[in-house]
This record gives sequence, structure tokens and C-alpha cells, in this order.
Amino acid sequence: KQEVTQIPAALSVPEGENLVLNCSFTDSAIYNLQWFRQDPGKGLTSLLLIQSSQREQTSGRLNASLDKSSGRSTLYIAASQPGDSATYLCAVKRNYGGSQGNLIFGKGTKLSVKP
Amino acid sequence: GAGVSQSPRYKVAKRGQDVALRCDPISGHVSLFWYQQALGQGPEFLTYFQNEAQLDKSGLPSDRFFAERPEGSVSTLKIQRTQQEDSAVYLCASNPYRGRTEGYTFGSGTRLTVV
Repeated sequence: KQEVTQIPAALSVPEGENLVLNCSFTDSAIYNLQWFRQDPGKGLTSLLLIQSSQREQTSGRLNASLDKSSGRSTLYIAASQPGDSATYLCAVKRNYGGSQGNLIFGKGTKLSVKP
Repeated sequence: GAGVSQSPRYKVAKRGQDVALRCDPISGHVSLFWYQQALGQGPEFLTYFQNEAQLDKSGLPSDRFFAERPEGSVSTLKIQRTQQEDSAVYLCASNPYRGRTEGYTFGSGTRLTVV
């Protein structure tokens, strides 16, 4: 059974700091991996999607890497801002069995960026 | 509409009551997903529709949970005889593809509290 773990569960940093969020998964047979952002009382917003054949994706100050063989992904946030405060969720899609479209999520990392 | 709309935003139900949660996906989106997010946890997959067909209901926790999408647009998640462990945020997501996880748009969710 695929399990997704995110470390740390919570993180507080001063504004301007670079930071790394970690995600690990137990079954390397994934189709893709996504990082989402969730603000309180809101739905999830997709930040980056990495296909299983890719090693990384970048969008602005965000960079996500994927090492499928070791079952790990990292989300790097450069020059953090208070507006980055949110919960960040990692999710994988299996490449076999189950629904073609469902994702398996970690519990998230709650990030707080202090001004 | 411009986004995925869910109603009601909040629902308080007495234990044993039946509830119905509505999801209005983005017009034309083929795929629709329901997820359950308990406090402090990541979302967990409940069920998946492709147009009006329910292709995967493997995540529904018991036969008290029922979902439908009769005309391939609006979907309703019904929970019969609610129990305290049903308390969670119920998220709906849609995308324009068949069986892919790119392009997910999530609604803001319905927070269900069973007392």
C-alpha cells in the first residue's frame, strides 16, 4: 500500500529564508507527483507537477525535485515571504491499479513565514 | 462557472441524520473526484466520476456513503445515518481530462461536523 510522509509537520521561518520541504513515498511505481498549497478554509491549489520521467520542475521561486528510486521529493522555496504561509501537501498518482485519477496525499507541512 | 463550487460551506448534523453535499464542477470538466479530509490529515480519495459514470468508489468508507452525478455535471455526496467519525472537510475536484491528474481544480470544501 502506497504511503506518503511529509517532514516536518510544521515549520516556522523568518521572511527571506530559503527552505526545503520533504516528501517520501513507499512505492516507487508512481505515475507523477504533485505539490499543492492549501490555505485555511480554502481548497487545494496545484503548484508543481513532476512526471515520473522528470527530475525537477520550477515555477518562479518554487523548485520541486523527484528521485523516484529513493522514493523522495523536495519542494524548495527561495526567499520566503509571509504570503507563502500555508499548508503544503505532496501527492502521488499510482501507475497501476485503482482509479485512473485519484491521488494519495501526505498529511502536509504547515509553513509559517514571519515578517 | 469560474471555479468548483461546493455547498453548503458548513453543515452541522446530529448523529443519525442524513446529509447531502453538493459539488458544481467547472463546466465541461469530464472528471470529478470526492475527497475526505479529517482534521490534521491529508485528503483521502472517496470516489471518481467520468461524466455520469462512477468508475471508482473504492474509497467510500461504508455503505452509508453514496455519490451520484446523474447528468455528468453536478454531483451529490450523500451520507446516511451520520456518525461522529464522519466529521471532516469534504473536497470536490474536477479536471477536463479522462483519467489524468493534471489540471485539478478543487472546491473550497464542505466542513461537516456531526454532534
